[in-house]
Amino acid sequence: KQEVTQIPAALSVPEGENLVLNCSFTDSAIYNLQWFRQDPGKGLTSLLLIQSSQREQTSGRLNASLDKSSGRSTLYIAASQPGDSATYLCAVKSGGSNYKLTFGKGTLLTVNP
Amino acid sequence: DAGVTQSPTHLIKTRGQQVTLRCSPKSGHDTVSWYQQALGQGPQFIFQYYEEEERQRGNFPDRFSGHQFPNYSSELNVNALLLGDSALYLCASSGRGRGGTEAFFGQGTRLTVV
Repeated sequence: KQEVTQIPAALSVPEGENLVLNCSFTDSAIYNLQWFRQDPGKGLTSLLLIQSSQREQTSGRLNASLDKSSGRSTLYIAASQPGDSATYLCAVKSGGSNYKLTFGKGTLLTVNP
Repeated sequence: DAGVTQSPTHLIKTRGQQVTLRCSPKSGHDTVSWYQQALGQGPQFIFQYYEEEERQRGNFPDRFSGHQFPNYSSELNVNALLLGDSALYLCASSGRGRGGTEAFFGQGTRLTVV
């Protein structure tokens, strides 16, 4: 059974800081990994999708890496802004069950002005 | 492109009642999945529909059922509501049945059972 863990559960940083969010998964036979952002009480916004054959993806100030063999992914946010404050969720689509996403509980990020 | 749209946005129901939630997928997508998100938790997979059939189901009781229409839109039905069914219900769509495609989510329906 695939399990996804995100560390830390919460993070508070001053504006302008670079930061890293971590995601680990127990079954390395994944199809892809997706990072999402969720604002309070809202739906999920897809940030980055990494296919199992890829090592990283970049979009603007965001960079996500994937090390499938060790079961880890990181989301790097450069030059953080107060508008980045949200919960960040990591989800994997496992190769043995390539239809559903298995989510972590998320990291609550607060960027202070 | 309207993206994934869900209705209603908020709903209050009484224990024992039945509820229907609706989802329209992103244009060009044919696969719809439903997730339940309790407060402070990650979304949990309920089921997925493709070609009007339930393709996979998560660990949810039979009180949770669904349907997909020929235009790919979908409904989630929950019978005999319990207080524990209070959650944010999220719909996700993806394209053409391939496992590797990106999932896009709607804004969710907040269900409160009293």
